[in-house]
Amino acid sequence: EIVMTQSPATLSVSPGERATLSCRASENIDTNFAWYQQKPGQAPRLLFYSAVSRATSIPARFSASGSGTEFTLIISSLQSEDFAVYYCQQYNEWPQTFGQGTKVEIK
Amino acid sequence: DVRLVQSGAEVKKPGESLRIACKTSGFTFTTYWIGWVRQLPGKGPEWMGRIYPDDSDTKYTPSFQGQVTISADKSINTAYLQWTSLQASDTALYYCVRLVNWVDFWGQGTPVIVSA
Repeated sequence: EIVMTQSPATLSVSPGERATLSCRASENIDTNFAWYQQKPGQAPRLLFYSAVSRATSIPARFSASGSGTEFTLIISSLQSEDFAVYYCQQYNEWPQTFGQGTKVEIK
Repeated sequence: DVRLVQSGAEVKKPGESLRIACKTSGFTFTTYWIGWVRQLPGKGPEWMGRIYPDDSDTKYTPSFQGQVTISADKSINTAYLQWTSLQASDTALYYCVRLVNWVDFWGQGTPVIVSA
């Protein structure tokens, strides 16, 4: 099973600042990779798929990069609605696996 | 619009059986994999398994193989997750999802509480 490791576990950021989240896969997954956002009491929402493709309705302040084993999500200027937990996921092989999450909280 | 609407919260006793449902609409049910994901409080999502409703091909994550049963009724565009004997450790939030390789749509989640 491929292990997805996210860092940091918690990121404290002020509104308007930039946030950088990382995810590492335990083996090469090419670009078979997605990012999700989850707010309290809600289901996760797809942000990016194929490592860098923005999902429908996702604002341009969100960007993603990476391939192979290292992936990055950047939120260029945090808005109040962006404070949430972010999960990465590989779908290169079954079972698909998620990371443990990065909580982006208000500093 | 794509919708996955799950059945409501459940409170059960250890040893009881349970089936929760995921009613879908807005897409062709038989041409997508439908999956089930567990989320424990404060933890990341965990894959349980998936089903292709057209032929009921089902794949389970090793941790859940033999512990649950995933099924689908394509006549009513509904997927199911079933337990024959619940344990307290099954207390969690369960999501059904639509897969296009990645997950593009999620149900609203069904909380399951197992307590004596």
